[in-house]
Amino acid sequence: AQKITQTQPGMFVQEKEAVTLDCTYDTSDPSYGLFWYKQPSSGEMIFLIYQGSYDQQNATEGRYSLNFQKARKSANLVISASQLGDSAMYFCAMREGPGTGGFKTIFGAGTRLFVKA
Amino acid sequence: SQTIHQWPATLVQPVGSPLSLECTVEGTSNPNLYWYRQAAGRGLQLLFYSVGIGQISSEVPQNLSASRPQDRQFILSSKKLLLSDSGFYLCACVSASSGNTIYFGEGSWLTVV
Repeated sequence: AQKITQTQPGMFVQEKEAVTLDCTYDTSDPSYGLFWYKQPSSGEMIFLIYQGSYDQQNATEGRYSLNFQKARKSANLVISASQLGDSAMYFCAMREGPGTGGFKTIFGAGTRLFVKA
Repeated sequence: SQTIHQWPATLVQPVGSPLSLECTVEGTSNPNLYWYRQAAGRGLQLLFYSVGIGQISSEVPQNLSASRPQDRQFILSSKKLLLSDSGFYLCACVSASSGNTIYFGEGSWLTVV
């Protein structure tokens, strides 16, 4: 069965520094996708970055990069040059391929990031 | 690009009353649709997903049901709400036009009193 684990319930980072949010996953499907979302206090879910299981390169989107280590089944999010506006809840998610039907996506418990001025 | 509309945004309902949350998608066709629930300060729990009209898969046994009467319409319902049904409900969509990404509606805050 699918499983997503985020072991850091809360993280603090100093403004302008980099921070890594951890995510490990478990699946038996060779085709899957990994996502990170940001949820500010308003509740909206904001898509940040995507990594496919067959992608050779680590995904990057601006200040966000995904450190994908397939053998270790980890997909950590790295935020560089943290900004106060980065304070939010961050969710790691995984979607298995079409073989499971419905492209079901499950989410981790989340990590709350606090950026200090 | 696709847009997901979800309503009502906020709802306060007494225990035992019915519920209907509606989600519609614009800008795409034949999407996969999802209902998630998020308890306060917690992660997202997948409740239902649908790959087509009338096709509903339930992830957890519960007091809720879902229906998909049209291609771009997904409804979450309950006949009698429980206190434990309180939470933040999110409709989500994956389609060919969104590639691999799941996009979310604005969410609905439900408080059962």
